[in-house]
Amino acid sequence: GQQVMQIPQYQHVQEGEDFTRYCNSSTTLSNTQWYKQRPGGHPVFLIQLVKSGEVKKQKRLTFQFGEAKKNSSLHITATQTTDVGTYFCAGNSGSARQLTFGSGTQLTVLP
Amino acid sequence: SAVISQKPSRDICQRGTSLTIQCQVDSQVTMMFWYRQQPGQSLTLIATANQGSEATYESGFVIDKFPISRPNLTFSTLTVSNMSPEDSSIYLCSVTSGADTQYFGPGTRLTVL
Repeated sequence: GQQVMQIPQYQHVQEGEDFTRYCNSSTTLSNTQWYKQRPGGHPVFLIQLVKSGEVKKQKRLTFQFGEAKKNSSLHITATQTTDVGTYFCAGNSGSARQLTFGSGTQLTVLP
Repeated sequence: SAVISQKPSRDICQRGTSLTIQCQVDSQVTMMFWYRQQPGQSLTLIATANQGSEATYESGFVIDKFPISRPNLTFSTLTVSNMSPEDSSIYLCSVTSGADTQYFGPGTRLTVL
């Protein structure tokens, strides 16, 4: 079955540093999505990427879909304490409506 | 985006009992899903709740353990049956409407003693 991988699971950065996380899929994806889950909260949708090589920005967050549509990345510029949380990538392939979630990366921002 | 509520928000249950979790959406949605998230882990899809028919279960999950109902386009229930401590987890419902993006409910935190 489809597998979506995020490594590592935990990341500590100093406030103001940049943060990049990659997400790799074992199969070609029809789209990829990123979600953020704050501690004690539920996953919240951030972005969806559909086209090969697509890049989208949300303020300090930049998302990119790989050319082969098998990987994606999240880049946060100048991290802030409000960026703390677990970031999940997810994707589906073919006609499947279900999402397969990556293992997530828990980001801690040190003041 | 849809507004989703879940009841109960948390519960502590005894081994061998069952708990039914409700998911209510403020608008009609195409698809509803039930996930489990164990502490510090990712989200695992339990099943897709189908309106008016039996749910579609993922590998490792069965109807006898996790019966699901979806009587209409805005409501679904998940029952965790004959609970054991291994069922302690957060249970989340999510919905889509048209697009593939999913919106999650606040979750139900279940502890089984």
